Amino acid sequence: GIQVEQSPPDLILQEGANSTLRCNFSDSVNNLQWFHQNPWGQLINLFYIPSGTKQNGRLSATTVATERYSLLYISSSQTTDSGVYFCAVPHYTGANSKLTFGKGITLSVRP
Amino acid sequence: KAGVTQTPRYLIKTRGQQVTLSCSPISGHRSVSWYQQTPGQGLQFLFEYFSETQRNKGNFPGRFSGRQFSNSRSEMNVSTLELGDSALYLCASSRTDRVTEAFFGQGTRLTVV
Repeated sequence: GIQVEQSPPDLILQEGANSTLRCNFSDSVNNLQWFHQNPWGQLINLFYIPSGTKQNGRLSATTVATERYSLLYISSSQTTDSGVYFCAVPHYTGANSKLTFGKGITLSVRP
Repeated sequence: KAGVTQTPRYLIKTRGQQVTLSCSPISGHRSVSWYQQTPGQGLQFLFEYFSETQRNKGNFPGRFSGRQFSNSRSEMNVSTLELGDSALYLCASSRTDRVTEAFFGQGTRLTVV
């Protein structure tokens, strides 16, 4: 099946700093999602980004499908950005599909 | 528009018992998938249901089962609980049977003692 790797595994930032989170995948994909897992465990949708660039406030994401990677940019980080960030891609086997997740990036933003 | 609702939020069960978790997808979404999250294994796919049919199943023992009802609500059941079943169980809903954008519920945190 498809492999998804995220880097770096851990990231510590001072409030106000910028960061780039990376997601590499081993095969061509039709779409890709970025999630932020909040302290209570819920996966919050950040971006649904098959290709190109999207922006939402201080966050933006770029997927280069031909080179099999996606980047999540966080600018002017805040303590509320802390948590685990996952990227996920769909894996299709015939009519069946599922999401394959990376292991996540744990971000800590210090005041 | 209501999001994905999972109940209960927290459960504590004893080894050997069984448990049923519930998931109500976003209105209009017909696909429901379940994932198990543990510190050691990360997020792993359990099952996918579409139109009351299990379309896909992950690599989990037969003690894990599920179903989907005509209103798209889904339940998963774990029988003969083991300590290793302690995990966060997440449910996702998608509009169609081909995973497009998936939306997750708040999860059910199961502790087996």
